[in-house]
Amino acid sequence: DAKTTQPPSMDCAEGRAANLPCNHSTISGNEYVYWYRQIHSQGPQYIIHGLKNNETNEMASLIITEDRKSSTLILPHATLRDTAVYYCIVRVATGSGNTPLVFGKGTRLSVIA
Amino acid sequence: EPEVTQTPSHQVTQMGQEVILRCVPISNHLYFYWYRQILGQKVEFLVSFYNNEISEKSEIFDDQFSVERPDGSNFTLKIRSTKLEDSAMYFCASSERFGGGYGYTFGSGTRLTVV
Repeated sequence: DAKTTQPPSMDCAEGRAANLPCNHSTISGNEYVYWYRQIHSQGPQYIIHGLKNNETNEMASLIITEDRKSSTLILPHATLRDTAVYYCIVRVATGSGNTPLVFGKGTRLSVIA
Repeated sequence: EPEVTQTPSHQVTQMGQEVILRCVPISNHLYFYWYRQILGQKVEFLVSFYNNEISEKSEIFDDQFSVERPDGSNFTLKIRSTKLEDSAMYFCASSERFGGGYGYTFGSGTRLTVV
């Protein structure tokens, strides 16, 4: 089962920043936080991941709290094409097992013109 | 940008028939996965595959399912005797390495319809 909690839906005005929260209060020290999104029925798309530090790439920024119990994905200037379901996933970083990504229900982000 | 390719994009099959879904992972990736998504539901993990053997599988992945890497490029999912409830989108994914530092790249999926 997913180890994260996300709001089921959010709206965002086009051109504004979209801030998607995720709670992962039981995260372990060796677990990364991943964000994926799924546009309509397409395959999930990797966005960003992090362990402790904040991360930024060309798609988004990931802010992880100091206690690592929650994080926020930020899309700095949301466009209509960012309308999708966004998944926050925690996954072990190392180990002998091949722990797969486990998807929850995610947050359905609607970007509104 | 490298892609995971899945074929066919849509397959219709009769109940009880065998079906093979095909995937070409990214060439330097070592770990391969199958997921499925029943319409309106979550993306569910089926199986992971590394070094020519199954690494992990979910409860969904029962004896009706099998995976194979028949050559150096293809990765297949076989369903031996399809049921109506197997109708879903099936996604293949690959990753370069195992571990938290590596994300998965997913294909665009095969929509399987069992009639």
